This record gives sequence, C-alpha cells and structure tokens, in this order.
Amino acid sequence: GQQLNQSPQSMFIQEGEDVSMNCTSSSIFNTWLWYKQDPGEGPVLLIALYKAGELTSNGRLTAQFGITRKDSFLNISASIPSDVGIYFCAGRAGGTSYGKLTFGQGTILTVHP
Amino acid sequence: NAGVTQTPKFRVLKTGQSMTLLCAQDMNHEYMYWYRQDPGMGLRLIHYSVGEGTTAKGEVPDGYNVSRLKKQNFLLGLESAAPSQTSVYFCASSLQAYEQYFGPGTRLTVT
Repeated sequence: GQQLNQSPQSMFIQEGEDVSMNCTSSSIFNTWLWYKQDPGEGPVLLIALYKAGELTSNGRLTAQFGITRKDSFLNISASIPSDVGIYFCAGRAGGTSYGKLTFGQGTILTVHP
Repeated sequence: NAGVTQTPKFRVLKTGQSMTLLCAQDMNHEYMYWYRQDPGMGLRLIHYSVGEGTTAKGEVPDGYNVSRLKKQNFLLGLESAAPSQTSVYFCASSLQAYEQYFGPGTRLTVT
C-alpha cells in the first residue's frame, strides 16, 4: 500500500530558528495536508495543498506541493515555544471516493526558549 | 460550532468487555472516519462513512463495528475488547473528500 516517509522524526531547536520538514511518497498524491497535534489533543489542520507546485502560507507556516506530486514540504519561520507538538503530513491519492488519507509518522518538534 | 466532539475522553476496560465510542459533528459533513493512533504507527483508518446509513472498512477494521444512523453521529463499537485495542481513538469528518477535521480523541486502555 501507499506509504509516506516523513523526516526528520524529531527536531530540537532554539526559539527564533526556522524549521523545515518534508514528506515523500512512492506514489502520486492529488492533495497534501499538514496537521499539528498538541499533547493530548486531536490533529488540527494547518495547510491544504491541491496543485503540484502550489505554495501556501498560514502565518509563519509555509507549505509546498512538490512538482513531482510525490512530496511536500513544511517550513516554520521564527519558531516560538507554542510551536511545540507533532506535525503530520497526509496525502490523498486520486480515485479515492471517500477521501482516504495516508499519514506520515510525524515530526516531533521541541522548541527551547 | 463545537466542530467534532467525542465521548468519553478516557475509558478503562477489562478484556472481553464491550463499549461504544460516540462521535458527533455539527458541520453538516457527509464523510466521517474513525482512526486509531499508536506510538510509531501514525494514524490508521478503522472504518469510515460517506453518508447517513453507510459504513465501510478501512485499514484495520477487525474487532470493531460502526454505525451511522444519523448524519451527525458516527459510533464505534468494541464487542469484546482486547489489550491490543489499547490506543487513542480519533474521529474525523469532512465535507466530501477534502480536508478532514479531527475530534479531541478518546484514550482507551484495555487490561
């Protein structure tokens, strides 16, 4: 089945630093989504991408839909302590009638003040 | 709007007991999903529904049943709980097959 490789698995950064993470797939996706999960909470949608090459921002977050449609990237600029959490990518392949999402394993982000 | 809500938030079961998890959404979404989240495994789809009265199996359906009698509710049942079902369960909903919105989760421990 489809798999997503998300990297890095974890990151320890200083407040103010920029963060980059990515997801790669062996197959093509038509939609890429990025979620953030705080401890003890459900995933919250950050950004949705629908076209290859698309670059979308949400505040300090910027995500890109890779040209090959097999990857996506998330950047966080000027990190702050509340950015701490687990970031998940999710992809939706074409032809799925019920919106099946394949999730990455997550990137655990720790921000030191 | 409350979005997606789940009850209960925590539950401890003994092996062989049964229980039902309730998911409710007030966004008039057609699609609803049940996932489980385990350490190192990410989110895995258990069952899903594309509309009132419909249900279908996801990746890991064994040991679970679901019902969607009303559009806003999606129930997940465990008929005979096993320790392997210890997990965090998330419900999600979406307007057609686009972005999914998640509930806060139910933490289930089976002893």
